[in-house]
Amino acid sequence: DQQVKQNSPSLSVQEGRISILNCDYTNSMFDYFLWYKKYPAEGPTFLISISSIKDKNEDGRFTVFLNKSAKHLSLHIVPSQPGDSAVYFCAATRVFGNEKLTFGTGTRLTIIP
Amino acid sequence: KAGVTQTPRYLIKTRGQQVTLSCSPISGHRSVSWYQQTPGQGLQFLFEYFSETQRNKGNFPGRFSGRQFSNSRSEMNVSTLELGDSALYLCASSPVPLGTGANVLTFGAGSRLTVL
Repeated sequence: DQQVKQNSPSLSVQEGRISILNCDYTNSMFDYFLWYKKYPAEGPTFLISISSIKDKNEDGRFTVFLNKSAKHLSLHIVPSQPGDSAVYFCAATRVFGNEKLTFGTGTRLTIIP
Repeated sequence: KAGVTQTPRYLIKTRGQQVTLSCSPISGHRSVSWYQQTPGQGLQFLFEYFSETQRNKGNFPGRFSGRQFSNSRSEMNVSTLELGDSALYLCASSPVPLGTGANVLTFGAGSRLTVL
């Protein structure tokens, strides 16, 4: 039962354009969402998070949007840079529910110079 | 501040053997969780340890086990290896247990296991 889904295994975007990565979840109890970025031969690194009390969180070129009614979140990267080429995982959990972090299957983003 | 250290980074085993992987968390972090990453499956949660106690366990067979020592270092063991156990095994550390706050996990680089 995949509670967190990333339906696009891969995405290619021209350098300088906007990259939009999508994530859907099924568990309405999730109230904290994170994005991790992973380069080959390295562990995932935290990118940005959002609490369910917000619908948007920004950090530099990265913005995460949360649509609770649709159980959908998206990560926007503007402008996209070659160093953004990586696998992106979204994850969800309950902040105080003694809950593990549930990850999606990942989206491989390739930025074309 | 040293990050999360996993050893070994790469290893090759044959079916039926067993393997032990090690994870040293960030100093001061008492929660260590383990994940299996395979193509198309994302990161699957194996288990979490906090203060030497297993707090959560994922949906993996009993061949997968772990433990945590008093210095917070953790090991995971896989017995009777199968071809399908070939994966990247990641550990992550956190100062507090999972699900007790909006905390962020810090991952190690992983141990790449190949079962022949």
